[in-house]
Amino acid sequence: RKEVEQDPGPFNVPEGATVAFNCTYSNSASQSFFWYRQDCRKEPKLLMSVYSSGNEDGRFTAQLNRASQYISLLIRDSKLSDSATYLCRAGGTSYGKLTFGQGTILTVHP
Amino acid sequence: ETGVTQTPRHLVMGMTNKKSLKCEQHLGHNAMYWYKQSAKKPLELMFVYSLEERVENNSVPSRFSPECPNSSHLFLHLHTLQPEDSALYLCASSQDPSGTGELFFGEGSRLTVL
Repeated sequence: RKEVEQDPGPFNVPEGATVAFNCTYSNSASQSFFWYRQDCRKEPKLLMSVYSSGNEDGRFTAQLNRASQYISLLIRDSKLSDSATYLCRAGGTSYGKLTFGQGTILTVHP
Repeated sequence: ETGVTQTPRHLVMGMTNKKSLKCEQHLGHNAMYWYKQSAKKPLELMFVYSLEERVENNSVPSRFSPECPNSSHLFLHLHTLQPEDSALYLCASSQDPSGTGELFFGEGSRLTVL
């Protein structure tokens, strides 16, 4: 079983739609969680950290469910510019366990 | 402007060549990392350096040789690579070497092995 798993998609949604991604992690000792965004042929960039209480940044909301061992990312009112690959990461158990998911491809169309 | 810079951005090499990738971080971080990103695969952690000491080596073939001369610089020396080593090599840094904090990535070095 992979340490961090994501549905690779692709998710194709129209502008203005709400879309949600989940990411499951297998190591219950994971302490920190993040969502990164990666544009085509670019490096990953931090989108948001995921806290136990959940957090929201504009149109983006991240949630952590420790009992079921998954994190989620909700994007409201999708924009064309949201088209990218979204990577989740679970880390903090040891140096080597900075584990990323495969990434979920999102395409927002007019 | 990125706080982590990588050179070269693109590299094409033959299987018998020797080349090096360079990474420099301007963020005052204590840990630096090499990741490999192949098409349709998750980011693979290759090496971790904390305060210039290698703390993790994820079973990477010896044809990849890292070097960390100081906390700001990281190299990946390449020799006798295989075509399947073609990938995007990403350098990252973090303030916290324990892995709980945010990673900052460089723009990557896209390597093609012929």
